[in-house]
Amino acid sequence: NAGVTQTPKFRVLKTGQSMTLLCAQDMNHEYMYWYRQDPGMGLRLIHYSVGEGTTAKGEVPDGYNVSRLKKQNFLLGLESAAPSQTSVYFCASRANPNNVLTFGAGSRLTVL
Amino acid sequence: QQPVQSPQAVILREGEDAVINCSSSKALYSVHWYRQKHGEAPIFLMILLKGGEQKGHDKISASFNEKKQQSSLYLTASQLSYSGTYFCGTVRGGAQKLVFGQGTRLTINP
Repeated sequence: NAGVTQTPKFRVLKTGQSMTLLCAQDMNHEYMYWYRQDPGMGLRLIHYSVGEGTTAKGEVPDGYNVSRLKKQNFLLGLESAAPSQTSVYFCASRANPNNVLTFGAGSRLTVL
Repeated sequence: QQPVQSPQAVILREGEDAVINCSSSKALYSVHWYRQKHGEAPIFLMILLKGGEQKGHDKISASFNEKKQQSSLYLTASQLSYSGTYFCGTVRGGAQKLVFGQGTRLTINP
């Protein structure tokens, strides 16, 4: 049972390039979340989804897009990367609002 | 809309106690607590679903004061393994998003 898997684990981009982070969970969870973590800022919510085909904005959505075409996958896209998007990105999922949030191992993105 | 945690950092000797506070400007439905070791993903500690509810396991416990819109995490007789950054996450009624505070870094020295 893999839980929540994020790919890639590390990536270096140049300013203006695009990329997609993939989050896959095998626990049949309805809710999925993308957070970014920066020193001193904690975990900030980018976007989230409450079920297949749904997405919603979090606290810091600008510059990111997401899609949830399949229940088990939640994709985070950067259309035109900026140095301010250098961060560690965590995906998380849970079955319902009262349940434990299970995190992936994180993806470290550097934008030069 | 992030909850506010205090203090931002704590340094203790092994065996001492610590309290970490989490406050929100909005009414809360539930509060979650997670701990993160350096370079790792956050791991779950506990969820408090009702106002006034207290939960705990081992020497870590938490309370939730719904009226004051705040929660506190209590670490008793701290162990070296308690070191890490602690995050509270809050859920407001009717919302499915879980928003975390900025974290409290706890260092336990021998």
